[in-house]
Amino acid sequence: DQQVKQNSPSLSVQEGRISILNCDYTNSMFDYFLWYKKYPAEGPTFLISISSIKDKNEDGRFTVFLNKSAKHLSLHIVPSQPGDSAVYFCAASSSLTGTASKLTFGTGTRLQVTL
Amino acid sequence: SQTIHQWPATLVQPVGSPLSLECTVEGTSNPNLYWYRQAAGRGLQLLFYSVGIGQISSEVPQNLSASRPQDRQFILSSKKLLLSDSGFYLCAWREQGSNIQYFGAGTRLSVL
Repeated sequence: DQQVKQNSPSLSVQEGRISILNCDYTNSMFDYFLWYKKYPAEGPTFLISISSIKDKNEDGRFTVFLNKSAKHLSLHIVPSQPGDSAVYFCAASSSLTGTASKLTFGTGTRLQVTL
Repeated sequence: SQTIHQWPATLVQPVGSPLSLECTVEGTSNPNLYWYRQAAGRGLQLLFYSVGIGQISSEVPQNLSASRPQDRQFILSSKKLLLSDSGFYLCAWREQGSNIQYFGAGTRLSVL
């Protein structure tokens, strides 16, 4: 049962335009969401996160939007740069897991930013 | 600042051989530690986590085991590797009270 879904395996965007990466979840107990960026043969790097008490969090070129009623979040990158080309993972956690704070990951979206 | 070290970066092992992957964290105390595996074209699957020395929780039944002999050391092991154990293994840590996990560089394991 895939509780966190990234339905677009890949996305291609021109440099300077907006990249929008989407993520859906099914577990209503999730209350914290994260986005990670991963280059080939490297570990994921934390990008940005959002708590379920918010609907938007912004950090420079990266903004995450959360729609709890739709169980949907999205990552916006504006403007997109060639260095943004990577695989992006959405992850979710529930405070109900207590001290474990386990993350459930989506399958990732490969973003390619073209010149 | 905190850093996480994971080694080796790549490993090629024959079927039936043992495995030991090591992960250490510096600059923090009593972190939560995690082992994940990423199979080709798949997301990250949580294998084990530890909230303290000697405390190991397993998420999925498998051919692997984990140990935490010291506060900032996490080891992933197998007595006999299977072909299906091939994948990209990632160690991560989390500071108590934070929701963010930080990952090591990963180990590419190929079982032949």
